[in-house]
Amino acid sequence: NAGVTQTPKFRVLKTGQSMTLLCAQDMNHEYMYWYRQDPGMGLRLIHYSVGEGTTAKGEVPDGYNVSRLKKQNFLLGLESAAPSQTSVYFCASSYLPRLARTNRNEQFFGPGTRLTVL
Amino acid sequence: AQTVTQSQPEMSVQEAETVTLSCTYDTSESDYYLFWYKQPPSRQMILVIRQEAYKQQNATENRFSVNFQKAAKSFSLKISDSQLGDAAMYFCAYRSRVTSGSRLTFGEGTQLTVNP
Repeated sequence: NAGVTQTPKFRVLKTGQSMTLLCAQDMNHEYMYWYRQDPGMGLRLIHYSVGEGTTAKGEVPDGYNVSRLKKQNFLLGLESAAPSQTSVYFCASSYLPRLARTNRNEQFFGPGTRLTVL
Repeated sequence: AQTVTQSQPEMSVQEAETVTLSCTYDTSESDYYLFWYKQPPSRQMILVIRQEAYKQQNATENRFSVNFQKAAKSFSLKISDSQLGDAAMYFCAYRSRVTSGSRLTFGEGTQLTVNP
């Protein structure tokens, strides 16, 4: 199993450009998440999904959109990138809570995408 | 909303010694999970240990153990016999059992240096 993979690993954008980050998981997880990591602030939740076709806002959703058209994929879009969106982005996935008890309730993380917006 | 606070931005320890990382959290819930994640320079997030709030016994995983004080809302991580490979950023995280989506709320992180 590849686990959770993210594409791309690095990207540099100019202000106003758009891009999509792709997250894929092969563990048949229901839940998927997008976080951003900034120095001194830990990881903050952007959006999440509790199943195919459903998405919800997290702590810092402004400027981002997401889609979960397939269970294994969770896309994060930036329509008009801003320097404040320079960050490291992590995708994660996990089982349904009723199944998670046998799996330590763990969220499995991807390797991260470093995004710089100039 | 829940909050998680790690008041030690940086800590250092000598190899083979013991170090304790602090974490406090704020919640009105009674049933939840707490986690410690490790992030080495590779950036990969690695689960170190977890604690279920309804369990009074402190969790242990080999050289890693926690001191869970529910009334004080404190969840510290103790690393015994520290090794060079323990050097990393450590994050404390909270997960509600009732909030939709099983989301994690993270602390700011503690950068641990292990000196040879």
